[in-house]
Amino acid sequence: EVQLLESGGGLVQPGGSLRLSCAASGFPFSNYAMTWVRQAPGKGLEWVSAISGSGGNTYYADSVKGRFTISRDNSKNTLYLQMNSLRAEDTAVYYCAKILWELGYYDGSGFFDYWGQGTLVTVSS
Amino acid sequence: QSALTQPRSVSGSRGQSVSISCTGTSSDVGGYNYISWYQQHPGKAPKLMIYNVNRRPSGVPDRFSASKSGNTASLTISGLQAEDEADYYCCSYAGSYTLLFGGGTRLTVV
Repeated sequence: EVQLLESGGGLVQPGGSLRLSCAASGFPFSNYAMTWVRQAPGKGLEWVSAISGSGGNTYYADSVKGRFTISRDNSKNTLYLQMNSLRAEDTAVYYCAKILWELGYYDGSGFFDYWGQGTLVTVSS
Repeated sequence: QSALTQPRSVSGSRGQSVSISCTGTSSDVGGYNYISWYQQHPGKAPKLMIYNVNRRPSGVPDRFSASKSGNTASLTISGLQAEDEADYYCCSYAGSYTLLFGGGTRLTVV
């Protein structure tokens, strides 16, 4: 059974940093691209970042480029999102999700078949 | 890049059909077949309902169908059931390995 479990959310001051983790199980982790999607309270979904199966290729939304870094440790079956220079508008539930197809690379499709339960990040003074 | 345009809400009676539109531009919806639809119940993670414009993942009822014409994609739910009441989001590839979601549509089953 595929499982994705996020952790690392919490309250952080503007300008601060936070690292989110997503522990994966139930599938060959390194064979799948992964992604982060966020949802501000009461708002819609926003794609944040994606990474290839090897971790060698990364992709970001303009809203987080230069501030967030996606990475993965395939030996630990874990996906990460390092968030720096946090702003109030980064407040959201952050979901990790698995790409539908076992491609190894990120195809940009947006087809995410398994999601974690989400972790809440609140940026406030 | 702006979010794709969806109606804020739609409603339908049990057993009826409803459609939800998702309008973008030739740079996203109209330019690619990487269109997907997600269902999200309150407090839950999104669930993939449609991918590749009109393909259903295993386990999704065939009451859910979708299509695309020009810059607009559409999700149709037939034979509405109480459990279909949720928020629905469209998603489209927008070039350069980026994605756009729609603003979301709240479906109410009366």
